[in-house]
Amino acid sequence: AQSVTQLDSQVPVFEEAPVELRCNYSSSVSVYLFWYVQYPNQGLQLLLKYLSGSTLVKGINGFEAEFNKSQTSFHLRKPSVHISDTAEYFCAVYTGGGNKLTFGTGTQLKVEL
Amino acid sequence: DAGVIQSPRHEVTEMGQEVTLRCKPISGHNSLFWYRQTMMRGLELLIYFNNNVPIDDSGMPEDRFSAKMPNASFSTLKIQPSEPRDSAVYFCASSRTSGGETQYFGPGTRLLVL
Repeated sequence: AQSVTQLDSQVPVFEEAPVELRCNYSSSVSVYLFWYVQYPNQGLQLLLKYLSGSTLVKGINGFEAEFNKSQTSFHLRKPSVHISDTAEYFCAVYTGGGNKLTFGTGTQLKVEL
Repeated sequence: DAGVIQSPRHEVTEMGQEVTLRCKPISGHNSLFWYRQTMMRGLELLIYFNNNVPIDDSGMPEDRFSAKMPNASFSTLKIQPSEPRDSAVYFCASSRTSGGETQYFGPGTRLLVL
């Protein structure tokens, strides 16, 4: 069964510093991978997704992620974070049965001045 | 498009009362998902529908929870009777059915059971 692991529950970072949020997946078949962001008191919204093709995926708000099949990873990166990036970030994998997703436990990104 | 609409946005009720949460998916989407989010358990998929038919309800905690989708534009999640441990934020999401499609989340219903 497909699953994702987000090892970091919290990541503090200073404004304008780079950040990487880690996600590893397990799957025996081809994968579709997603990153969603949840701002305080809101629902989740899509940042980016990998379906096929180029392994470097660019998303909204300057985020990007790289699909690495050999390391079964899909880490999210941003070269320079802003205070407004403070949010919880969820990695997810398509699990089949229509459009079912399995979400990771989330990583709380806290950007400080 | 108005996005996924959920009501109510906040609900406070007493233990033992019936609670009904409502969701209107995005027009044209034929998959609908109900999630529950708590600090302790994170984001959990409760049930999802394809073309108004429940496909997987293995995440529904127990018989006190039920969900229906009488038509393509409306779904309900009912808790009867409610218990304090049901306190959580409940999200509805919708998407097209094909794998890889984006799920669009509503703003959530924050439920507090006293």
